[in-house]
Parts: sequence; C-alpha cells; structure tokens
Amino acid sequence: NAGVTQTPKFQVLKTGQSMTLQCAQDMNHEYMSWYRQDPGMGLRLIHYSVGAGITDQGEVPNGYNVSRSTTEDFPLRLLSAAPSQTSVYFCASSSHSKDTEAFFGQGTRLTVV
Amino acid sequence: DAKTTQPNSMESNEEEPVHLPCNHSTISGTDYIHWYRQLPSQGPEYVIHGLTSNVNNRMASLAIAEDRKSSTLILHRATLRDAAVYYCILRVSGAGSYQLTFGKGTKLSVIP
Repeated sequence: NAGVTQTPKFQVLKTGQSMTLQCAQDMNHEYMSWYRQDPGMGLRLIHYSVGAGITDQGEVPNGYNVSRSTTEDFPLRLLSAAPSQTSVYFCASSSHSKDTEAFFGQGTRLTVV
Repeated sequence: DAKTTQPNSMESNEEEPVHLPCNHSTISGTDYIHWYRQLPSQGPEYVIHGLTSNVNNRMASLAIAEDRKSSTLILHRATLRDAAVYYCILRVSGAGSYQLTFGKGTKLSVIP
C-alpha cells in the first residue's frame, strides 16, 4: 500500500518558470490537500479538494493552481515561480470522517532562485 | 477556526515517560482531538485521536480532560526516534471537517 506519493522530492526553479508538483493516493480518499511549510513554522493550507471536480482555496492560495480530475491525483501548479514560494510542500489525503486519520506525503523541497 | 495551544518545546530523558499538553478551550462537542508528529525532514504522521474517552494505541496514549478543554499525549518510554514536533489538532464538524489547522506544535527533544 503506497499511501500518498509526491514527486519530485527536490526541485530548483528559476524565477518565472512554471512547474507541477504531483500527488497521488491509492486509498480512495475523497479529501486531498496541499500545504506549504516554511522554516520553523507549522503547515499552512494552500488548496484542497473534497472530491473529483471540486477544489477550493485554503489560507495561502495566491500563486498556485489546482485541479482534481480523478480521485487519485491532485497536482499543484506554480504558474510563475517566485522566490517567496521557496518552501517544503506536503500533500495529504483523508476520508471525510473526522474519526479517521490523514495521510501525508514525504514532501517536495522547492527552491526558487 | 478551532484553536489549540501547546508549549513551544519540551525535553525528556530517554526511556522516561513524556506528557505533552494541549489546551483547546473552544472545542465543540463533536470535534475530534488529533495528534500528529513530524520527524526531521519528513511529512507529518498520525499518532492518535479521540473524542471523549482516553485512547491507547501502539504509539501512545491520549488522555482527555472531562470537560474536553485540554488533552495530554503520553509517550510511555521516550526513545531517540520520538524526537519530533508534535501537533495537537482539532478536526471540527461541518465543512471544516476536512481541514487540519496546524499551529507551531511542541518540539520534543529526547536526551540520551
């Protein structure tokens, strides 16, 4: 059982470049989300999805786009990378029940120069 | 947002029990208390959760106050591998039930 898989693990971008961070889960979870974590901070929610075709903004959505065409995949797109987007990005998935755990990927460490 | 308050850091000696406190005075009756931890350079991992009664699993125990305004994560014998940031999170009812709101957590250091 793979759980939540994120790719790539590391990425360096130049300012203005675009890229997509991939996230896939094999647990048939309805809910998927993207967080960013800056040094010494907790995780902040970027975007989330409660099911295929449904997405919404979290706390820090600016500069990021998402889509959810399948239950399994939830890619995060940076359209024009900025140094302020240098961070570690985590994808998470869970069922809709509050009585269950959430699963996190191992993270993507992104540096924008 | 349902908020929690945790100490910034704690220390424990190896093989000693550790009690990590969390205050959540604004908790609602149907909110679940979840604990996650984040080892260095890794994603958060689930530790334990509960609603009203104390809970035990292979990793830890969760003691919930009778008024549910506070809880304590108990690691029975701390090991070096338990050194991590521990997050206490409320999973709330309604549309927000999907979201996990992370604070800064408690950084646990384990002394050999």
